[in-house]
Amino acid sequence: AQSVTQLGSHVSVSEGALVLLRCNYSSSVPPYLFWYVQYPNQGLQLLLKYTSAATLVKGINGFEAEFKKSETSFHLTKPSAHMSDAAEYFCAVKPGGGNKLTFGTGTQLKVEL
Amino acid sequence: EAGVAQSPRYKIIEKRQSVAFWCNPISGHATLYWYQQILGQGPKLLIQFQNNGVVDDSQLPKDRFSAERLKGVDSTLKIQPAKLEDSAVYLCASSPAPGLDYGYTFGSGTRLTVV
Repeated sequence: AQSVTQLGSHVSVSEGALVLLRCNYSSSVPPYLFWYVQYPNQGLQLLLKYTSAATLVKGINGFEAEFKKSETSFHLTKPSAHMSDAAEYFCAVKPGGGNKLTFGTGTQLKVEL
Repeated sequence: EAGVAQSPRYKIIEKRQSVAFWCNPISGHATLYWYQQILGQGPKLLIQFQNNGVVDDSQLPKDRFSAERLKGVDSTLKIQPAKLEDSAVYLCASSPAPGLDYGYTFGSGTRLTVV
């Protein structure tokens, strides 16, 4: 079985500051890992995904994430936050070759002036 | 390409009433998922279809929830009778096939309020 833990249900940063959203996973087989963003009253949009190729993955809107097997982590970063980044972010894991996508509980990102 | 379509966007019902949600996945996507997202929580898989067959419904409360995907395209999710704890956003998602490295494409969801 797989699971995801997102540390920090709420994160607040200043505009222009570094964004770091934490995600740790548990999986009995090599995982595929995903980050999704959800804006108010909308569905989830894929930001980026790791599927066993390069460990540093670049996504949309300037986000990137690094897969660290030794730390079982897949943290999401962005060098400079923008007001439009305010949203809820979900980390998700799927076992390689498997079907089921399991989500974390989400991190609400607030960006302040 | 057109996205995943869901309707209605919002629904308010009284407890013990029934309700149905509809989903039209991306054309050609064989795999369809229904997720339940309770406020403050991550989405939880309710049921997964591969074409018109059920792959995983282990977390579907079968005493009150049912879903079907006739002809392997559109899908409906029904709740009868509804309980207060069913208040949530119901998300439909699709992917080209299971077991590959695709992320899912989600619809905008149906927000259900049970009063």
